[in-house]
Amino acid sequence: SSELTQDPAVSVALGQTVRITCQGDSLRSYYASWYQQKPRQAPVLVIYGKNNRPSGIPDRFSGSSSGNTASLTITGAQAEDEADYYCSSRDSSGYLHYVFGSGTKVTVL
Amino acid sequence: QVQLQEWGPGLVKPSETLSLTCTVSGGSISNYYWSWIRQPPGKGLEWIGNIYYSGSTYYNPALKSRVAISVDTSKNQFSLKLSSVTAADTAVYYCARLGDRGTYYPFDYWGQGTLVTVSS
Repeated sequence: SSELTQDPAVSVALGQTVRITCQGDSLRSYYASWYQQKPRQAPVLVIYGKNNRPSGIPDRFSGSSSGNTASLTITGAQAEDEADYYCSSRDSSGYLHYVFGSGTKVTVL
Repeated sequence: QVQLQEWGPGLVKPSETLSLTCTVSGGSISNYYWSWIRQPPGKGLEWIGNIYYSGSTYYNPALKSRVAISVDTSKNQFSLKLSSVTAADTAVYYCARLGDRGTYYPFDYWGQGTLVTVSS
């Protein structure tokens, strides 16, 4: 299996830009997807694939990838973006196995 | 709009089997993979396994010896069984759909989650 590594926490001033990263060997083969989780709620998909947003997700959320690192960028962070963010991808086994990152707590100041 | 709802006992005794079911509404269970994911209190997400509507399964190697996922297309449901549970299996259990988004397969719909506590 594979591991995905995320920074535990980041903070961003209201209206500024924050980038959250996710590192892992599986990301050399598979794109990450990103999930936002607010307290006592289920995760919500915000980015998948190369840089795709499901309907209803604001365009201030964007994704990118390079080598073994995937990134989620929030451009113009809003108070409602304060949440935990998890990356996920298939692992390197070749089977339809998935792995999640450890999560990043984003605080909007 | 696809909706998922988990249901099952909220309390399971150590060494017994945890059993949960996820009912899918607003869409067919056919032609998709469906997943179980869990989150221990205050911790991160852990993928448990996937099942295709036809019954093919994939399990987390760390849990494989204890996990069984099944599907009932006639009821638009899929289920999770986790045997020989311990306190470490206490978690919020989510069911989710592995969406077919072109060449990408993210977890695009999630249930609200159900807390299962393992305690005597």
